[in-house]
Amino acid sequence: EAGVAQSPRYKIIEKRQSVAFWCNPISGHATLYWYQQILGQGPKLLIQFQNNGVVDDSQLPKDRFSAERLKGVDSTLKIQPAKLEDSAVYLCASSLIWGAFFGQGTRLTVV
Amino acid sequence: AQSVTQLGSHVSVSEGALVLLRCNYSSSVPPYLFWYVQYPNQGLQLLLKYTSAATLVKGINGFEAEFKKSETSFHLTKPSAHMSDAAEYFCAVTNLQGAQKLVFGQGTRLTINP
Repeated sequence: EAGVAQSPRYKIIEKRQSVAFWCNPISGHATLYWYQQILGQGPKLLIQFQNNGVVDDSQLPKDRFSAERLKGVDSTLKIQPAKLEDSAVYLCASSLIWGAFFGQGTRLTVV
Repeated sequence: AQSVTQLGSHVSVSEGALVLLRCNYSSSVPPYLFWYVQYPNQGLQLLLKYTSAATLVKGINGFEAEFKKSETSFHLTKPSAHMSDAAEYFCAVTNLQGAQKLVFGQGTRLTINP
């Protein structure tokens, strides 16, 4: 069974630039999560999808972050414009019933 | 609202010694609890899960955890530490109501001394 795929693995951008991350969940998993993990901290939920609908985005900075999940499968997370404090690992995870399976993450560095 | 508190951001043990990583949860409804492990530059890997069946849960790599409702705890243990256990460990909580958010603790970094 293929796992959760994320790309790119690493990204370096300058502040005020935009960036996008892509996630392909495990086939058949209806729930998809995007987490932000700042160095030394636990993952913080940014947005949770159930199929292609948003069920929780209460911690998503909507003035600069956006996410979509077209056709209830792949998802993209975008930041525009990026700030220095957005430097973190962005983790995508998917779930069938409970718990979650994680991708390798995208390490974003904003300089 | 659910939350998880991991006591001790850094735990250091000798190789062969007992590993004990502490996790306390808060949930207004019956929780489902998880332990994840994260190696450097990797995503999170599920170690074990409690989903309201047996209170003593066995996971991969010799780890186990016990759900204690009276203490709202779900501590992770391993009888004998191995050098390969060095990693970051995260406790997480969810439930089957509402949006089923998966909420993580701050993590505990485990160091193994030779």
